[in-house]
Amino acid sequence: DGGITQSPKYLFRKEGQNVTLSCEQNLNHDAMYWYRQDPGQGLRLIYYSQIVNDFQKGDIAEGYSVSREKKESFPLTVTSAQKNPTAFYLCASSQGLARNNEQFFGPGTRLTVL
Amino acid sequence: GQQVMQIPQYQHVQEGEDFTTYCNSSTTLSNIQWYKQRPGGHPVFLIQLVKSGEVKKQKRLTFQFGEAKKNSSLHITATQTTDVGTYFCAGRSSGTSYGKLTFGQGTILTVHP
Repeated sequence: DGGITQSPKYLFRKEGQNVTLSCEQNLNHDAMYWYRQDPGQGLRLIYYSQIVNDFQKGDIAEGYSVSREKKESFPLTVTSAQKNPTAFYLCASSQGLARNNEQFFGPGTRLTVL
Repeated sequence: GQQVMQIPQYQHVQEGEDFTTYCNSSTTLSNIQWYKQRPGGHPVFLIQLVKSGEVKKQKRLTFQFGEAKKNSSLHITATQTTDVGTYFCAGRSSGTSYGKLTFGQGTILTVHP
């Protein structure tokens, strides 16, 4: 099956700890994205990557970091600097930079910081 | 920056009633996409509109893109319980050179049998 996988589905961490969320895709897509979803606020873009070894900040990048060492992988680290990390995190990918590309989403990781 | 506003935030309907959600952008869009997220699930692409005044249909769903390419709507005729979920619009501004989407807040639809 082709698609995007995110693990784990649920994640609990203590306040002050960094945590890394994984995202893997086997769709051979060039572009990958991380979104945060909070109730009533839609999806907000954290980071995106157009090609390997390149990534750009989205609208709410503070307190987050990413890497793109492989085309199929785009892990997100939620650092202790993120003030409100508890949220639903969604990874997505698309074929490339063209404006008409739809985005395919993974199942998401629900992060709870205690 | 670009803002995409979506209304209403919630809509409760009886099965068989119609439903409409509206999307308005602060800037002119190059295209707009619609996604559906089932409860507990992830967004799934429904459709993309590109042309001014475009209308597309998918069975009971009708999507429209405004003449000025700043607004869009999704209309569902005779809702069914399977339509339950959150509907998001997502647009790209005309000046965006890459695949960055700005999502609306979503409309949560509940359908009572």
